[in-house]
Amino acid sequence: DGGITQSPKYLFRKEGQNVTLSCEQNLNHDAMYWYRQDPGQGLRLIYYSQIVNDFQKGDIAEGYSVSREKKESFPLTVTSAQKNPTAFYLCASSIPDRKFGYTFGSGTRLTVV
Amino acid sequence: KQEVTQIPAALSVPEGENLVLNCSFTDSAIYNLQWFRQDPGKGLTSLLLIQSSQREQTSGRLNASLDKSSGRSTLYIAASQPGDSATYLCAVRLHNRDDKIIFGKGTRLHILP
Repeated sequence: DGGITQSPKYLFRKEGQNVTLSCEQNLNHDAMYWYRQDPGQGLRLIYYSQIVNDFQKGDIAEGYSVSREKKESFPLTVTSAQKNPTAFYLCASSIPDRKFGYTFGSGTRLTVV
Repeated sequence: KQEVTQIPAALSVPEGENLVLNCSFTDSAIYNLQWFRQDPGKGLTSLLLIQSSQREQTSGRLNASLDKSSGRSTLYIAASQPGDSATYLCAVRLHNRDDKIIFGKGTRLHILP
C-alpha cells in the first residue's frame, strides 16, 4: 500500500544537538511538506518542496533545514538554533494539481531533554 | 490573509446522536476544503475532500458540505459511535500562487458511551 513513513516515532534531543527527522513516501507525489503541531496552536508550515532539488520556507522556518535530493524523501533537520523544538512534527505529500488533497504521515514526537 | 476557524473547540455528545462540526474561512478564493481526523498522538487521516465547485461529499456516515460564498463548511456525523472520538480538522487549499493549505485548530469530539 502507498503511504508516507515517518521515523522515528519518538525522538529525544539534548540541548545544542542537531537531529534529523525522516519522511519517505511511495505515492509518487511531487510535493512534500513539513508541519509542526503544538497544543492549542494548530498546524504550522515549516518548509515545503514542489519538486526535487527545490524547497521553500514556510511560516516558521527559522532553526530548521531540509533537503530534497530524491522525489521520495524530504528529511527535516532541527538545528540547535531552534530554541523550542519540543513538538509533534508531521510530514505530508500531495500532487501539485490543486484538485487533490494532502496525505499525512503518522508523525514524530520530538522532546528536548 | 486566509483564516480558518472551528467552533466549538471541544464537544461531548451521547452515543447514537447525529452531530455537526463547523468550519469557517475568511477568503472564499479556495481550490478545495479537506476534513481530517486525528487520534491522540497520531497523524492526520483524510476523511473528505470537497472541490470549490462542489456542494457536498459523502462517505459512509459522514457528509461534508461547502458554501464557498459564505465561507462555511460543515461535517455531519450520523449515528455517532465511541470510535468517532477524535479531533477533527478542516483545511482549505489556497487559490493563489502559494501552494499551501491553511488549517483550523480543530474540534475535539468525545462520544459518551
